[in-house]
Amino acid sequence: DIQMTQSPSTLSGSVGDRVTITCRASQSISNLLAWYQQKPGKAPKLLIYDASSLDSGVPSRFSGSGSGTEFTLTISSLQPDDFAAYYCQQYNIYPFTFGQGTKLEIK
Amino acid sequence: QVQLVQSGPELKKPGASVKVSCKSSGYTFTAYNINWVRQAPGQGLEWMGSIGAYTGNTNIAQKFQGRVIMTRDTSTSTAYMELRSLRSDDTAVYYCAREWEGAVPLDYWGQGTPVTVSS
Repeated sequence: DIQMTQSPSTLSGSVGDRVTITCRASQSISNLLAWYQQKPGKAPKLLIYDASSLDSGVPSRFSGSGSGTEFTLTISSLQPDDFAAYYCQQYNIYPFTFGQGTKLEIK
Repeated sequence: QVQLVQSGPELKKPGASVKVSCKSSGYTFTAYNINWVRQAPGQGLEWMGSIGAYTGNTNIAQKFQGRVIMTRDTSTSTAYMELRSLRSDDTAVYYCAREWEGAVPLDYWGQGTPVTVSS
């Protein structure tokens, strides 16, 4: 199975900050990587797919980049609604594996 | 609008089985796969497997092979996930999610079904 490793596990930020989350795959997954946001008690929400394509309705302050084994999710200017957990997922090869998650907290 | 509506909470004893349903509406059911993802309390997301709504073909994570059965009923646009031989560590929220194979991953999710396994 492909292992997905996210860093950091926890990230503190303030409104207006630029933050970056990294996701590494144990082998190349081309660009078949998605990012999800999850708030407590809610289902995950797709933010980005194909490493850099923004899903419909997702604010432009979210961006993704990378290919192969290294990927990043960047939030250019944190908003109060952005404090949540974030997960990467590869969908290149079954089983589709998730990273362990990054909790974005208010500083 | 696209909706995936799951069945309600379940309380099961160890060794029992649970069957969770996921009813889709607002899109062509057979054009997508349905994936199943679970989340234990305070933990991350775990992909369990997927079923092609048109073909009925499944891909199941090795961890669950032999214990999970995924089926679908195209006449009612409903997917099902049955987990057998339940253990306490199967206590989790189980989600279904739609996938456009080869194009867009899990873009719409069900609301989640809490399953508690306790004696």
